[in-house]
Amino acid sequence: DAGITQSPRYKITETGRQVTLMCHQTWSHSYMFWYRQDLGHGLRLIYYSAAADITDKGEVPDGYVVSRSKTENFPLTLESATRSQTSVYFCASTDRSSPLHFGNGTRLTVT
Amino acid sequence: KNEVEQSPQNLTAQEGEFITINCSYSVGISALHWLQQHPGGGIVSLFMLSSGKKKHGRLIATINIQEKHSSLHITASHPRDSAVYICAVLTNTGNQFYFGTGTSLTVIP
Repeated sequence: DAGITQSPRYKITETGRQVTLMCHQTWSHSYMFWYRQDLGHGLRLIYYSAAADITDKGEVPDGYVVSRSKTENFPLTLESATRSQTSVYFCASTDRSSPLHFGNGTRLTVT
Repeated sequence: KNEVEQSPQNLTAQEGEFITINCSYSVGISALHWLQQHPGGGIVSLFMLSSGKKKHGRLIATINIQEKHSSLHITASHPRDSAVYICAVLTNTGNQFYFGTGTSLTVIP
């Protein structure tokens, strides 16, 4: 099925652990984004990618790493999770001329 | 500095009322998006605009490029319209979206 999928939907991890959130889209959109959503802050951009092998920092990139070896995948890694990274994470994609499509989100809790 | 401002932040309406949500932006854009997020839910795209007006069912979105302003209207509002509505702009100079903080709409039966 065409779409954008995130996994896992829910994740609980401990402080200091490495965690990877997955994002996969089937439209071959060139642009992909990672946002976090926290109460009082709305959506904040972590990293984005304009094409395979091209990534750029957003507003809140510290503590996160991304890669984009294939157009359809854009994983987000928390290298050493902290409690401040407890949030809901959304992946999105577009090719600029299409609507912005969001995944269903990953709710991450860092204990 | 917020590149995108939405108003109102919160809105409560009676079922059947006509609703308007406003979005103003300060950057040059190539497109403006209206998004909807139900409580605890995902984010879906309602409209993508670069000029003029679009209509989908009871929802109407307009944009005035010269005034850097967009409105989202809901006619004959219904409780199922209760959600957060988010305005987002794609700049014409870069690859980023800027988001408003959202308007939380509650429609009372």
